Amino acid sequence: KQEVTQIPAALSVPEGENLVLNCSFTDSAIYNLQWFRQDPGKGLTSLLLIQSSQREQTSGRLNASLDKSSGRSTLYIAASQPGDSATYLCAVLSRPGGGADGLTFGKGTHLIIQP
Amino acid sequence: DVKVTQSSRYLVKRTGEKVFLECVQDMDHENMFWYRQDPGLGLRLIYFSYDVKMKEKGDIPEGYSVSREKKERFSLILESASTNQTSMYLCASSYGDSSYSNQPQHFGDGTRLSIL
Repeated sequence: KQEVTQIPAALSVPEGENLVLNCSFTDSAIYNLQWFRQDPGKGLTSLLLIQSSQREQTSGRLNASLDKSSGRSTLYIAASQPGDSATYLCAVLSRPGGGADGLTFGKGTHLIIQP
Repeated sequence: DVKVTQSSRYLVKRTGEKVFLECVQDMDHENMFWYRQDPGLGLRLIYFSYDVKMKEKGDIPEGYSVSREKKERFSLILESASTNQTSMYLCASSYGDSSYSNQPQHFGDGTRLSIL
């Protein structure tokens, strides 16, 4: 069964720093990996999606990489801002045959950017 | 922009009641999903659907059922609500054609359900 782990569970950094959030998964047979942002009491906002054949995706100050063979992904946030404070969730879409076809989520990294 | 709308942001019900959570999407997506989110456990898949009148169990279907009579609407039903079903419920949708692997899931704002 697919398992997704995110490290660290929480992170607090001063504004302006570059930072990296880590995600690992146990089964490399995936369709894609998604990074989401969740603000308190809200739903999830999709940030980036990396297909299994891709190595990275970029959107503005965000860059996500995928190493499928080692079961790892990173989300790089450049020049962090207080508005980036949120919980960041990593999720993988596994190939059918192993059970459910929904996303398998990590427990998230709670990020605080200090002004 | 994709819009996934959940009918209630907050809901309070009593144990034993039959509870309906509604979700509507406006992008003609084939796939729809129900998740619950709990502190320390993260998001877990309850049920999903690939087409009208079609449903599949997720990881934690016990105590729940679903209904998909129309493509745009996916309902989650708590047959007899219990206190351990107090949670944040999130609905999502995505395309289901050959572009499946490169289409993100889009989420609603969630329904925070309390069972007393």
